[in-house]
Amino acid sequence: EPEVTQTPSHQVTQMGQEVILRCVPISNHLYFYWYRQILGQKVEFLVSFYNNEISEKSEIFDDQFSVERPDGSNFTLKIRSTKLEDSAMYFCASSLLAGGPMDTGELFFGEGSRLTVL
Amino acid sequence: GENVEQHPSTLSVQEGDSAVIKCTYSDSASNYFPWYKQELGKGPQLIIDIRSNVGEKKDQRIAVTLNKTAKHFSLHITETQPEDSAVYFCAASFESGGGADGLTFGKGTHLIIQP
Repeated sequence: EPEVTQTPSHQVTQMGQEVILRCVPISNHLYFYWYRQILGQKVEFLVSFYNNEISEKSEIFDDQFSVERPDGSNFTLKIRSTKLEDSAMYFCASSLLAGGPMDTGELFFGEGSRLTVL
Repeated sequence: GENVEQHPSTLSVQEGDSAVIKCTYSDSASNYFPWYKQELGKGPQLIIDIRSNVGEKKDQRIAVTLNKTAKHFSLHITETQPEDSAVYFCAASFESGGGADGLTFGKGTHLIIQP
């Protein structure tokens, strides 16, 4: 079964350092998302991406964050200068363009990348 | 860990009819059950939630029921409208005074409202 893959599974970094989290969405999917979950808190939406541009972003997704689809397979989340409060599990997700006869619109999540900022 | 199963994956109903989406969970310690609505290309938005101390909660056309014994909860939408078309997903978690263990999501239901 196709799956969304994320790397690394766990990254430890120093405050102020740049971090790039990588995701490989399911190959025929068109919408891509990043969520995060701070330990003990709810999953929070960060950003959605379609047609090589951001569709929507939350207030969490400030100027320190950016996303990119550098090639036909990867979808990355960059945190420019990490803060302690960026420590969280970051989930990538993807979905097909809803509306087609074979498309359930189901959101497929990766297993997450745990970021620890020291 | 917690496992949340959600059915159906796709649901098509006539405008004005009711829609029901069902979820089961595996961890009897879970006590918080939110439902999210996600429109195309947008982030999910919480539409209703329920905690284990109540069996039913209603907010206008939306209601959620919880059966702790059977470990299942359901979302009910009455008098469906075209703007209800979206992907809905359920989730479960354990909340204590120090916060939640983390939401375990269902896989989502694509609700299609037929005019």
